[in-house]
Amino acid sequence: EAQVTQNPRYLITVTGKKLTVTCSQNMNHEYMSWYRQDPGLGLRQIYYSMNVEVTDKGDVPEGYKVSRKEKRNFPLILESPSPNQTSLYFCASSLKPAGQTYEQYFGPGTRLTVT
Amino acid sequence: SQQGEEDPQALSIQEGENATMNCSYKTSINNLQWYRQNSGRGLVHLILIRSNEREKHSGRLRVTLDTSKKSSSLLITASRAADTASYFCATRRGGGADGLTFGKGTHLIIQP
Repeated sequence: EAQVTQNPRYLITVTGKKLTVTCSQNMNHEYMSWYRQDPGLGLRQIYYSMNVEVTDKGDVPEGYKVSRKEKRNFPLILESPSPNQTSLYFCASSLKPAGQTYEQYFGPGTRLTVT
Repeated sequence: SQQGEEDPQALSIQEGENATMNCSYKTSINNLQWYRQNSGRGLVHLILIRSNEREKHSGRLRVTLDTSKKSSSLLITASRAADTASYFCATRRGGGADGLTFGKGTHLIIQP
């Protein structure tokens, strides 16, 4: 089944404790992206990757890191999480960059709480 | 920065009625996409309309695009309880960056 998977689905952590949210897709998509969703603010793009070893900042990259060493995986790293990073996070992928006419496939989401 | 803005923010109708939601955007586009999100879940792509298209259908969905007014509408006909969800329009981000920018969504509630 074609899908985007994220782990963990739920995470409660403390300020400053490094964490990684994994994202994997099995559709051989070139493009992958991370979004955060907050009430009243909608979805905002954090980082994206056009292909292996090619990443770039989205609208809200501060406090996050990403890497794209393999085509299927695009982990999101929070080196020192803070309470303002409490949010619902989504990974998405598409065959080609989103600027072209390709739909994005979304993962199920990771609900992160930083205390 | 957000490109698309949906209207209304929330909509509650009776099952069987039609639901219409609108999206306005700011800059020129190549295409516009609509997504659905069930509570707390990932977004699901519904339909894409290109800038040279005025109307597109997919099952009970009808999307229109008016590039002169920089607006789009999504019509869901004969609504069902399962249509209860949030609906987002998305366009390409500007400023040389790639990716989609989403509006804040319309929350649709279908009353049985």
